[in-house]
Amino acid sequence: NAGVTQTPKFQVLKTGQSMTLQCAQDMNHEYMSWYRQDPGMGLRLIHYSVGAGITDQGEVPNGYNVSRSTTEDFPLRLLSAAPSQTSVYFCASRPQTGDTEAFFGQGTRLTVV
Amino acid sequence: AQTVTQSQPEMSVQEAETVTLSCTYDTSESNYYLFWYKQPPSRQMILVIRQEAYKQQNATENRFSVNFQKAAKSFSLKISDSQLGDTAMYFCAFIASTSGTYKYIFGTGTRLKVLA
Repeated sequence: NAGVTQTPKFQVLKTGQSMTLQCAQDMNHEYMSWYRQDPGMGLRLIHYSVGAGITDQGEVPNGYNVSRSTTEDFPLRLLSAAPSQTSVYFCASRPQTGDTEAFFGQGTRLTVV
Repeated sequence: AQTVTQSQPEMSVQEAETVTLSCTYDTSESNYYLFWYKQPPSRQMILVIRQEAYKQQNATENRFSVNFQKAAKSFSLKISDSQLGDTAMYFCAFIASTSGTYKYIFGTGTRLKVLA
């Protein structure tokens, strides 16, 4: 009963490096999303997807790319890491209806030095 | 714009006491849903309770209940008989359809500490 699996849990990057945060879900959910959590700012939506092949920008998309080639996977790519991207990142999935809860991964604490 | 406001960054409560966390939201949508999520130190996000806007009856889940005031756009969370395990960050969240897509909007969170 894996739910949403997010890797890695911790990562330190140097400014300018690129990396991919992995997210996989085994619940056949249509909707997947990435958030960043910063102190005093709650969770802010980076990108989301309503199904394989369909992605869209959220509130804070700059510096991040996503793709959705399968229903299960929704990786988040940092193109050229900046200290402003130091944050905790969460992947979430849910069915594409309004009344359902979101299932979250364990989060990735990313530090960019 | 749709917004969620949590005006209490931190709160504390004695074990076994009752505490209320505030949340207000703003939307022009008529059909929407409201949630409270809990984030303990483990970082895992856990659904506490949900409320459908068209239901007037306040939702209840064991020790957790909400006071939903639709006209005032208020959605507070009451925790009764507080336990040490309730220590966590609590996020109020709102979801409504925009162009057919439902997207969550989260508040900034309230950090609750339950004192022994």
